[in-house]
Amino acid sequence: KNQVEQSPQSLIILEGKNCTLQCNYTVSPFSNLRWYKQDTGRGPVSLTIMTFSENTKSNGRYTATLDADTKQSSLHITASQLSDSASYICVVRGAGGGNKLTFGTGTQLKVEL
Amino acid sequence: GAVVSQHPSWVICKSGTSVKIECRSLDFQATTMFWYRQFPKQSLMLMATSNEGSKATYEQGVEKDKFLINHASLTLSTLTVTSAHPEDSSFYICSAREWGQGATEAFFGQGTRLTVV
Repeated sequence: KNQVEQSPQSLIILEGKNCTLQCNYTVSPFSNLRWYKQDTGRGPVSLTIMTFSENTKSNGRYTATLDADTKQSSLHITASQLSDSASYICVVRGAGGGNKLTFGTGTQLKVEL
Repeated sequence: GAVVSQHPSWVICKSGTSVKIECRSLDFQATTMFWYRQFPKQSLMLMATSNEGSKATYEQGVEKDKFLINHASLTLSTLTVTSAHPEDSSFYICSAREWGQGATEAFFGQGTRLTVV
């Protein structure tokens, strides 16, 4: 069964600090992995999308890594801001079989002063 | 990036009535749109896949007669919750895949909060 597990479930950090969110998946065959940011009451917004051959991809203060061998990904947030408070969702698309997306349950990040 | 717009952003309706939610791709043509439901503190759950000009494909456990999906054009898909009940209260989100873009990017709408009273 295709699964995407994220950790931690929730996280509180001080403004300006860095943090790393983890994502482990069992989706196979693999097509790509995306990280989304979802503000409360809003739809998910794409941060990064990575294919099998990509190890690292950055988008501003967000840097995602992917290890396709161990089926692990991380999202590193640098110099956090209050506006980074949101749910971060790891989503994996499988190859074939309708190319369905498997969603993680998300990490709820809260950035405090 | 491409823009997907949902309308309304929130709606409150009485039990037994029907509610229609629209999902529009504003600057691209979407051959495929997806409808999700999200309960508090849970992940998005795919309800159905909507292809322009054909019947939607529903996920197991989703009642097709209750959640009517119409994808009449390349820029619009609608989800109608028929005879809504309080347990249908949820956050409904659509996403759209751009024509010719294969299985790469999917863009999400901002979501619709449905409350059935």
